[in-house]
Amino acid sequence: DTAVSQTPKYLVTQMGNDKSIKCEQNLGHDTMYWYKQDSKKFLKIMFSYNNKELIINETVPNRFSPKSPDKAHLNLHINSLELGDSAVYFCASSQGGRRADGELFFGEGSRLTVL
Amino acid sequence: GQQVMQIPQYQHVQEGEDFTTYCNSSTTLSNIQWYKQRPGGHPVFLIQLVKSGEVKKQKRLTFQFGEAKKNSSLHITATQTTDVGTYFCAGPWRGANSKLTFGKGITLSVRP
Repeated sequence: DTAVSQTPKYLVTQMGNDKSIKCEQNLGHDTMYWYKQDSKKFLKIMFSYNNKELIINETVPNRFSPKSPDKAHLNLHINSLELGDSAVYFCASSQGGRRADGELFFGEGSRLTVL
Repeated sequence: GQQVMQIPQYQHVQEGEDFTTYCNSSTTLSNIQWYKQRPGGHPVFLIQLVKSGEVKKQKRLTFQFGEAKKNSSLHITATQTTDVGTYFCAGPWRGANSKLTFGKGITLSVRP
């Protein structure tokens, strides 16, 4: 069974479109994250939710809107896609709560290409 | 703000050689984690170090946390082609809500 699963794995779309990526974890963790990995492999945190509450919101354009319907799910919606949004988006979860001292479990990533 | 730094970003070794990489922080860390990402894959947790001077081993991999808890090292003995990938260190940033900050990673390639 996949612990952290995200869909879709690949997204190719035109500039200006809106797209969503879904993430689910079956580990019973309280905290979920979205990370963006650019072409240089730099992993940058975007958002973190703890028990459906947003606890980290980095300087991400407000075209990005996360939603956590329950603690097992964290979705990412992106409006008005731009070329610079092309990246691999990783969902992750941990049992660490508000403290960053728990192991992160990553999903397999969603590769977004904006044309 | 706090950063964890990994330099260089790339290293190439001959199979069988040893490999060491370092991670440095501008501030004291409560813990440090290491992850490995295979080409085309996702980051996978390797280890967490918590205590000053702590050393942990996983087969050919040896991880160390510095005495001042500001740096860490990963040493691979007798590299194999299965060791290729990007190794990230990550440490918590002490803000209102702690988050894990990743270094830029070092990509290891191994020549057979």
